[in-house]
Amino acid sequence: ETGVTQTPRHLVMGMTNKKSLKCEQHLGHNAMYWYKQSAKKPLELMFVYNFKEQTENNSVPSRFSPECPNSSHLFLHLHTLQPEDSALYLCASSQDRPGRETQYFGPGTRLLVL
Amino acid sequence: DAKTTQPPSMDCAEGRAANLPCNHSTISGNEYVYWYRQIHSQGPQYIIHGLKNNETNEMASLIITEDRKSSTLILPHATLRDTAVYYCIVRGYMNYGGSQGNLIFGKGTKLSVKP
Repeated sequence: ETGVTQTPRHLVMGMTNKKSLKCEQHLGHNAMYWYKQSAKKPLELMFVYNFKEQTENNSVPSRFSPECPNSSHLFLHLHTLQPEDSALYLCASSQDRPGRETQYFGPGTRLLVL
Repeated sequence: DAKTTQPPSMDCAEGRAANLPCNHSTISGNEYVYWYRQIHSQGPQYIIHGLKNNETNEMASLIITEDRKSSTLILPHATLRDTAVYYCIVRGYMNYGGSQGNLIFGKGTKLSVKP
C-alpha cells in the first residue's frame, strides 16, 4: 500500500459512455498526476495538478477531462473515448518541497474501450 | 525523451545480488537519479533516489559514479518477487508550474529472477 488509492480497478466502457476515474491520496501531498500506460509503451504523463491548480496538460485530447477539487482527490472524466484509449491509467502524488518530491503511485485503473 | 539508457533485460539467480546499470551522461548538477520498478500491470513502486552520494535503504542500494554519468541499482539478495521492470529516471526539482520535476519513463530493464 502506497497511500494512493484508485477506483475502479477495472473498467469496460463503450465509445459513447461517460465514466470517471477516481484517485485519492492519504499522504498529505499537494501535487497529483495522471499517467497513461498503453500496451508495450512507456508511461506517459497526462496532467499535473499542484495545490489544486492544473500546471501541466501534456497535449491530451479533450475527451479526457481532469478535475482536482482538493489536494487529496483527483478525477479523470472520460467521454466519447476511442478503442486506442484502452490502457492502464495511473495516478500519483507528491509533495512540492525540496527532498519530498518523490511520487507515489496508485495501483491503476485498467480501462478497456469497446 | 528519457535521459537515461538501460539494458532491455537482465537475468539474476535467486539469492544473488542483482546489479542494474543506468547511463545518464547528460545529467545536470541539480538533477536526481530515481529508481522505480513496476511489477506486471501494477503501479510503479518507488525504490530509491540520490543526487551525488551513494544511498541505501531497506530495498536497495544506489551507487552513483563520481562524474554522475552512470549509476547502479543493487538488490542485495534478489527474490522471485523482485521480477519486474526497473526504471532509472533523471529528474530535477519540481518547480511550481514547471516541468523540470516531471518523471519521464523510458522502457526500463526487465529483470527476471530465476530459481
